[in-house]
Amino acid sequence: GESVGLHLPTLSVQEGDNSIINCAYSNSASDYFIWYKQESGKGPQFIIDIRSNMDKRQGQRVTVLLNKTVKHLSLQIAATQPGDSAVYFCAEARSNDYKLSFGAGTTVTVRA
Amino acid sequence: GAGVSQSPSNKVTEKGKDVELRCDPISGHTALYWYRQRLGQGLEFLIYFQGNSAPDKSGLPSDRFSAERTGESVSTLTIQRTQQEDSAVYLCASSLLGVQYFGAGTRLSVL
Repeated sequence: GESVGLHLPTLSVQEGDNSIINCAYSNSASDYFIWYKQESGKGPQFIIDIRSNMDKRQGQRVTVLLNKTVKHLSLQIAATQPGDSAVYFCAEARSNDYKLSFGAGTTVTVRA
Repeated sequence: GAGVSQSPSNKVTEKGKDVELRCDPISGHTALYWYRQRLGQGLEFLIYFQGNSAPDKSGLPSDRFSAERTGESVSTLTIQRTQQEDSAVYLCASSLLGVQYFGAGTRLSVL
């Protein structure tokens, strides 16, 4: 089965609200985690990454949280905008080769 | 700057034909990856090139799939005797260390 999975396949959020997308992983050997955004007809676009020696990392309007105890990863998007509507993927890898293992994705729809 | 470029963007072929998909990575990126994405699903790893090392082919689904890379430049993914289940988007990514940057993919349709 998949080593990375997302808890919810779809998320509907009101414009301006914060979004939280969750992800579970099962490979204890993974030490690198990354979030991508994919819009229809395009390749995945890098959002933010985190290594296993950290539990939180912030970017512009985004925060990634890593809980290694329960093998859980989340992406928080602040003040969600219509342009944030897309499919979001988490992925895990080991830093010896960075071969990414992806979950099925969460579709985020922003309501105006 | 130029990102990862893939061609063709779309390819329609008949079952049993061979196809070649091309990837131009970001200049200077030593690592190159190929993934497959079936409709509505996540990406599946196919093959990985790192510098002049032997490629990691552990994700290739069958011996009909092969890939080559010229130095640290262009890569070609070849699918021989295509089957309908090969229909998917094939994505290429390149990286220096860690973050992989993806191309827009080649959408392959096998009739």
